[in-house]
Amino acid sequence: QQQVKQSPQSLIVQKGGISIINCAYENTAFDYFPWYQQFPGKGPALLIAIRPDVSEKKEGRFTISFNKSAKQFSLHIMDSQPGDSATYFCAATGGNEKLTFGTGTRLTIIP
Amino acid sequence: GAVVSQHPSWVICKSGTSVKIECRSLDFQATTMFWYRQFPKQSLMLMATSNEGSKATYEQGVEKDKFLINHASLTLSTLTVTSAHPEDSSFYICSAPPGDRYGNQPQHFGDGTRLSIL
Repeated sequence: QQQVKQSPQSLIVQKGGISIINCAYENTAFDYFPWYQQFPGKGPALLIAIRPDVSEKKEGRFTISFNKSAKQFSLHIMDSQPGDSATYFCAATGGNEKLTFGTGTRLTIIP
Repeated sequence: GAVVSQHPSWVICKSGTSVKIECRSLDFQATTMFWYRQFPKQSLMLMATSNEGSKATYEQGVEKDKFLINHASLTLSTLTVTSAHPEDSSFYICSAPPGDRYGNQPQHFGDGTRLSIL
């Protein structure tokens, strides 16, 4: 029940395209859903986060869509750039500050 | 903004030695810190929760005697990998919640320590 399932495992998108990464959770106690970006040899950095009382949050080129009834949320990266090439992790937490991470998506943006 | 500093960033040592990794919160106090382990091309796995002034809480399957955690002050937690062996080689990452998770972010992460045991 603590798992967060993430797909796809890897993703190749052309520059300027839309990158979409999906996550699903089971634990209804989760109440905060952040997305992290990680470059090789670095720790994860918060990209954008959402709470379940809203269905969408947008920050620049990054948008989270949240479907509470389906227990799913997704990250959309608009106008994808080569600098967006990294590994992306969804995560979930609820009450105890512990983060449960998804399995990660390696995103590659090609020219 | 809040920063978590981790040291060293990379360490190589011989099998059987002990290695200490430090995690510091630079501009905020952290009563709790988290230690993660990440193998290549895998996700972060929580190892333990470090609690200032009390014993750490370990996740299931993590050896307490192998991975010693000390949270001596509100800004410093240390992870000591005792009698390290090649299978302990991994990327170790710490994090600390700034205490205002809904206003900012749930945890600030360090840049990790790459541990290589020969």
